[in-house]
Amino acid sequence: QVQLVQSGAEVKKPGASVRVSCRASGYTFTAHYMHWVRQAPGQGLEWMGWFNVNTGGTNYAQKFQGRVSMTRDTSIGTSYMELSSLTSDDTAVYYCARDAGLAALAIMDYWGQGTLVTVSS
Amino acid sequence: SYDLTQPPSVSVSPGQTASITCSEDKLGDKYVSWYQQKPGQSPMLVIYQDKKRPSGIPERFSGSNSGNTATLTISGTQALDEADYYCQAWDTSHVVFGGGTKLTVL
Repeated sequence: QVQLVQSGAEVKKPGASVRVSCRASGYTFTAHYMHWVRQAPGQGLEWMGWFNVNTGGTNYAQKFQGRVSMTRDTSIGTSYMELSSLTSDDTAVYYCARDAGLAALAIMDYWGQGTLVTVSS
Repeated sequence: SYDLTQPPSVSVSPGQTASITCSEDKLGDKYVSWYQQKPGQSPMLVIYQDKKRPSGIPERFSGSNSGNTATLTISGTQALDEADYYCQAWDTSHVVFGGGTKLTVL
């Protein structure tokens, strides 16, 4: 069965960077795009971007351009999202979510369990 | 910018029909997905491409999209359907989520 397992919670200081991992299993890793979505405490879902796992191509939301990087290691079936220059506004649960299509269809059919990132001095 | 507008909350009695709307200019020209999120859980896809249900989603969940409004309909609402619901669309290669609707089953 398809599973996305994310790395554990992180506590970071303002100005630091964080990298969240998402290990995929149960399907062909390079056949599906991966999205990253975050959710601040008590707030709604916010799309950060998608990542072409096969080619390494990216499409970042304008809000995060210049500050986010999405990569992968195909040898271990893992995607990564790194966010830099953290502020308290980046405190959120970060999710990876698989795109259902072989191209980017923006249909997120499987989600990781979420990773809480807390930014605090 | 592209914004999807949802009502903050909807209430429904058990067994009745709940309708949650999602609005934006010419939304009917785009595909809409819907996600259910219960407290402390990850979101779950319940409708995609306006009206298709993923495997395992009960038939009481249905969707439509026309004009400026997409609608998620839950027929015969059950207590376990109480959750936050988010619509989502795809605009010029960027994904947008609605603000979410809290469905309360009274």
